[in-house]
Amino acid sequence: AQSVSQHNHHVILSEAASLELGCNYSYGGTVNLFWYVQYPGQHLQLLLKYFSGDPLVKGIKGFEAEFIKSKFSFNLRKPSVQWSDTAEYFCAVTAPNSGGGADGLTFGKGTHLIIQP
Amino acid sequence: ETGVTQTPRHLVMGMTNKKSLKCEQHLGHNAMYWYKQSAKKPLELMFVYNFKEQTENNSVPSRFSPECPNSSHLFLHLHTLQPEDSALYLCASSPRTTEAFFGQGTRLTVV
Repeated sequence: AQSVSQHNHHVILSEAASLELGCNYSYGGTVNLFWYVQYPGQHLQLLLKYFSGDPLVKGIKGFEAEFIKSKFSFNLRKPSVQWSDTAEYFCAVTAPNSGGGADGLTFGKGTHLIIQP
Repeated sequence: ETGVTQTPRHLVMGMTNKKSLKCEQHLGHNAMYWYKQSAKKPLELMFVYNFKEQTENNSVPSRFSPECPNSSHLFLHLHTLQPEDSALYLCASSPRTTEAFFGQGTRLTVV
């Protein structure tokens, strides 16, 4: 079974600061990796995903993440945060289903990010 | 708007009540899911349906009973719940192995 660990549960930054949120997963095989964001009062939205290919993936709103297989990591980054980035961020993993169906996502506990103006 | 609609948005129920949560998607997705989001815990996968067939049940107590009558609708029937079952219940759908699309959730309070 997979598991996901997010190191920072609460992060407070000032606007224009750089952001890096850590995510490590535990699974021996091929994985699909995701970062989701949940803005206050809104539904979970996909920020970016990695299935294969270039380990540096770019998502919406200037976010990017790097898959480092040897470290089982998929850290989220943004060079300059904005007040509107205040939200809860979740890292998630799923293993590709060889049967053609879908497996559910395994999520980390989330990181609550607060950006101060 | 994700295309996944959950009703009701808020529900308060007593421990002896029976209620149902509804989820609807018209995205043409083959898989649908129920997740539970509690404070200070990771989102927990409860049930997975692929092509209307339940393919995963993560040791969920029998007081939670899912139903998937067709590929667009998913229900979660609730009965004799406990206060610790109070949480945000999220429905999601996905086209096979790509990312999941989530609804806004039902905030459930058991009194």
